Amino acid sequence: KQEVTQIPAALSVPEGENLVLNCSFTDSAIYNLQWFRQDPGKGLTSLLLIQSSQREQTSGRLNASLDKSSGRSTLYIAASQPGDSATYLCAVSNTGNQFYFGTGTSLTVIP
Amino acid sequence: EAGVAQSPRYKIIEKRQSVAFWCNPISGHATLYWYQQILGQGPKLLIQFQNNGVVDDSQLPKDRFSAERLKGVDSTLKIQPAKLEDSAVYLCASSFGLTSETQYFGPGTRLLVL
Repeated sequence: KQEVTQIPAALSVPEGENLVLNCSFTDSAIYNLQWFRQDPGKGLTSLLLIQSSQREQTSGRLNASLDKSSGRSTLYIAASQPGDSATYLCAVSNTGNQFYFGTGTSLTVIP
Repeated sequence: EAGVAQSPRYKIIEKRQSVAFWCNPISGHATLYWYQQILGQGPKLLIQFQNNGVVDDSQLPKDRFSAERLKGVDSTLKIQPAKLEDSAVYLCASSFGLTSETQYFGPGTRLLVL
């Protein structure tokens, strides 16, 4: 069974700083990997979806990379803003169907 | 485009009672997912439908949980009887296709079992 780990569990940075969130998974035979954002009391919002054949995806200030062989993905956030404060979840799919989620990284950007 | 709708948003019940949650996916989305998210954890898939057929229900506690998606659109998730450990947020998500698709999540139903 796929296991997904996210480090750190919580992160606090000053506004404007660049930061990296980490995700690792145990089974490298993945179909795709997705990064989500979750705001308190709300559902999840998809940020980036990386197919197994891709190395990275970019959207605005966000860049996600994927290294299947080492079982790792990183989410890079440039020039962080207070509005980026949320919990970031990594989810991995082995078959394209069921996603296995990590426990998330809680990010606080201090103005 | 309207998002995934869920109701109710909050529910408080006593253990051994029954409860039902409703989800309306994004129009045209064939695949619907129910997740359970316990506080401090990531979501765990309970059941996945494609149209009105079950794709995966391997993690659904079938002795107390049931779900249906009649007519391949709306879905209901039921718990009968509820236990204390069922306290969680129940998230519904939908996607256009079955594989390699972005999932869109509803706001969730927060359940507290006393």
